[in-house]
Amino acid sequence: QPVLTQSSSASASLGSSVKLTCTLSSGHRGHFIAWLRQQPGKAPRHLMKLEGSGNYKKGRGVPDRFSGSSSGADRYLTISNLQSDDEADYYCETWDVGSLHVVFGGGTKLTVL
Amino acid sequence: QVQLVQSGGGVVQPGNSLRLSCSASGFTFASLAHHWVRQSPGKGLEWLGLIANDGSYQYYADNVKGRFTISRDNSMNMLYLQIHSLRPDDTAVYYCTRNSDYVNDYWGQGTLVTVSS
Repeated sequence: QPVLTQSSSASASLGSSVKLTCTLSSGHRGHFIAWLRQQPGKAPRHLMKLEGSGNYKKGRGVPDRFSGSSSGADRYLTISNLQSDDEADYYCETWDVGSLHVVFGGGTKLTVL
Repeated sequence: QVQLVQSGGGVVQPGNSLRLSCSASGFTFASLAHHWVRQSPGKGLEWLGLIANDGSYQYYADNVKGRFTISRDNSMNMLYLQIHSLRPDDTAVYYCTRNSDYVNDYWGQGTLVTVSS
């Protein structure tokens, strides 16, 4: 079963850019992931599905400021022109074909300074 | 637009059972698998299980297998999660999700279950 590793926290200044990382465990480097955002007190929201190739498909209504990229086992979420309401927890998830289970990363808490 | 509206939840005594509901609208419910996910207070997301689009199979996380049952009624566009033998560590916000192209692309608003005597 794949394991997704995320840093517990990140910070960046208002109006700047930040790149969050989700790392797939060995043996699962080719997996796709999805990025989710959870603002305080709200349900998670799907941001995008990101393939190992770096291709990504965003969810409905996700702003252009959000983009994805991949390198090896790493999957990235880049947020440009940070806004105050980007302060949230960001999770990655993937699908394990072998066990037919969904796996979540531990989440990254993003603080906008 | 796609909506998943949840109901049920509340304060429940340990050992009791509970059924959570999720009403779907804005898409062809019967064409997609659906999942349940929970989040304990201050913690991350935990996948609980899924049900196929036609209800023909379910898969569960190992730690809830046998106590949790996912079902659906495609004629009513309803998804359910039955939890038996509730324990204090089942206290969490529970979310239903729609799964399309192997990702959970829409989430319900969540419902809080508190297990306490």
